[in-house]
Amino acid sequence: DIRMTQSPSTLSAFVGDRVTITCRASQRLSSWLAWYQQRPGKAPKLLIYKASTLQSGVPSRFSGSGSEKEFTLTIDGLQPDDFATYYCQPYNTLFPTFGQGTKLEI
Amino acid sequence: QVQLVQSGAEVKKPGASVRVSCKASGYTFTMYSISWVRQAPGQGLEWMGRISADTGQTIPAQSLHGRVTMTADTSTTTVFLDLRSLTSGDTAVYYCVRGGYADPFDVWGQGTLVTVS
Repeated sequence: DIRMTQSPSTLSAFVGDRVTITCRASQRLSSWLAWYQQRPGKAPKLLIYKASTLQSGVPSRFSGSGSEKEFTLTIDGLQPDDFATYYCQPYNTLFPTFGQGTKLEI
Repeated sequence: QVQLVQSGAEVKKPGASVRVSCKASGYTFTMYSISWVRQAPGQGLEWMGRISADTGQTIPAQSLHGRVTMTADTSTTTVFLDLRSLTSGDTAVYYCVRGGYADPFDVWGQGTLVTVS
């Protein structure tokens, strides 16, 4: 199985800040990496796929980059709605296990 | 619109089995796989397996040790998750999600809480 390691586990920030979350894979993924946002009590929501492609309807302050084993999710200009938990996930793989999550808090 | 609607909450005794259903609508059912993801209280997301809606082929997570069965009914566009030999460790919210081998998980069901107690 591919192991995904996210950092940091918790991130404290303010409205308006720029933040970056990193995801490292135990195997090379090319660009087959997705990012999800989960607000408390809600189902996760797809933000970015293929490492850097924004899902329809997702604000442009979200961006993704990286390839192979190292990926980043950047939020530029945090809004109150962005305080949530973020997960990375490889796909195009037999067992698409998630990273452990990064909780973004005020 | 594209949506996945899941069955309601369940409470089960240890050792029992549970079935969760997931009805798909708004898209061609057989063109996508459905995966199952669960989340224990306060924990992260655990991928449980996926089923190809056209062929019925399944790929379960090895961590479930053969306790899971996934089926798809194309006549009702519904996917089912059966989990056997429940323990307290299976208490979680269970999500069905559209997405499989080469697709990101783009549409999520609302979640079904399964409590084992």
